[in-house]
Amino acid sequence: GAVVSQHPSWVICKSGTSVKIECRSLDFQATTMFWYRQFPKQSLMLMATSNEGSKATYEQGVEKDKFLINHASLTLSTLTVTSAHPEDSSFYICSASLQISSQPQHFGDGTRLSIL
Amino acid sequence: QQQVKQSPQSLIVQKGGISIINCAYENTAFDYFPWYQQFPGKGPALLIAIRPDVSEKKEGRFTISFNKSAKQFSLHIMDSQPGDSATYFCAATTDRGSTLGRLYFGRGTQLTVWP
Repeated sequence: GAVVSQHPSWVICKSGTSVKIECRSLDFQATTMFWYRQFPKQSLMLMATSNEGSKATYEQGVEKDKFLINHASLTLSTLTVTSAHPEDSSFYICSASLQISSQPQHFGDGTRLSIL
Repeated sequence: QQQVKQSPQSLIVQKGGISIINCAYENTAFDYFPWYQQFPGKGPALLIAIRPDVSEKKEGRFTISFNKSAKQFSLHIMDSQPGDSATYFCAATTDRGSTLGRLYFGRGTQLTVWP
């Protein structure tokens, strides 16, 4: 089946550091990738929708300058948390689909981000 | 506003029993209803999904029941096993409109199956 790989799986860094998370579709070309944030014992919260070759669409309340998304190829999207602070600590998950309306979406295994 | 409402929040079932999780939605434009299973520290994995043209879909021990008129759908896990202990999310989406492709998730149900 379709596989989405996310890297790193876990990162700890100091406050003020920028952190990049990669999301790769390994066996299909993903024109659309979604980035989610999940707090403990809560549901997934969509942060942004990223289409290959164009600017990401951010959900209301998500800071574009804080969470930089790049989808430069059909198999790779990156999320950069700039100048991370402890409140940015969370579980970040990406998903990918062949087309924007294509289902199902395939999820990565998430990245646990801890900011000290 | 929660687009998809899920209950119960937590569920404890004995091994071999039936686990039932319910979801309700308001947006009649939704036309794809997946269920995801998530283990701690992992991303969600698609379990089973249904479209509104059928009232039931079964895959192994997992069954989705869909009631279009009531705008409700449910997941039934037959012969529940300890390995089924996880968090389950229902979701809904549409292929139409400005929000096409976006998944709207329920709040999740933490299932514990006792051996």
